[in-house]
Amino acid sequence: DTAVSQTPKYLVTQMGNDKSIKCEQNLGHDTMYWYKQDSKKFLKIMFSYNNKELIINETVPNRFSPKSPDKAHLNLHINSLELGDSAVYFCASSQEASRETQYFGPGTRLLVL
Amino acid sequence: AQTVTQSQPEMSVQEAETVTLSCTYDTSESDYYLFWYKQPPSRQMILVIRQEAYKQQNATENRFSVNFQKAAKSFSLKISDSQLGDAAMYFCAYRRGGGAQKLVFGQGTRLTINP
Repeated sequence: DTAVSQTPKYLVTQMGNDKSIKCEQNLGHDTMYWYKQDSKKFLKIMFSYNNKELIINETVPNRFSPKSPDKAHLNLHINSLELGDSAVYFCASSQEASRETQYFGPGTRLLVL
Repeated sequence: AQTVTQSQPEMSVQEAETVTLSCTYDTSESDYYLFWYKQPPSRQMILVIRQEAYKQQNATENRFSVNFQKAAKSFSLKISDSQLGDAAMYFCAYRRGGGAQKLVFGQGTRLTINP
């Protein structure tokens, strides 16, 4: 009965590769987010989708492309991976109409070699 | 832009004692929410407590309580009767009111519990 799930949990890849991270929530929420946690543990918003519509896009290189096929899923595709993309990526969801708390997935640790 | 500052990179406390983690924020909004999240070594982000800015009463969740000082823009977390399982990174976060708003996080405080 996992609320917000992410796959994979760990991802090790070479520079220049393309990779995707998937996120699914079964909470019935209408809004989903991607956050990045860097090596110093700092968390920052990347994107947000509300009802499949992109509503937040925070100065993220266009190598990062989110896609929301439906309200329950938000995927993150990264092209031409760079060393600096190594981080933990968190998916989160909330019911924004009622200003609910954001609930986080377990995170995906990405290591670019 | 809103900012959140946690001035204590690390804190430690003896088991069963009380510890307070500090957080200050900067905003010109009147409608907002504040949160404390806990991140144990498993790296899962777990909500500890939430405070609505319009509420004067400080939020409480079992051993966790906050001291919300709206005029001073301060939002500290008090953990009573500290337990070994409380050891984690603690993040203070701010969210504007309105629909679909991002969380703005502080830098985090690493809490160690000494047995």
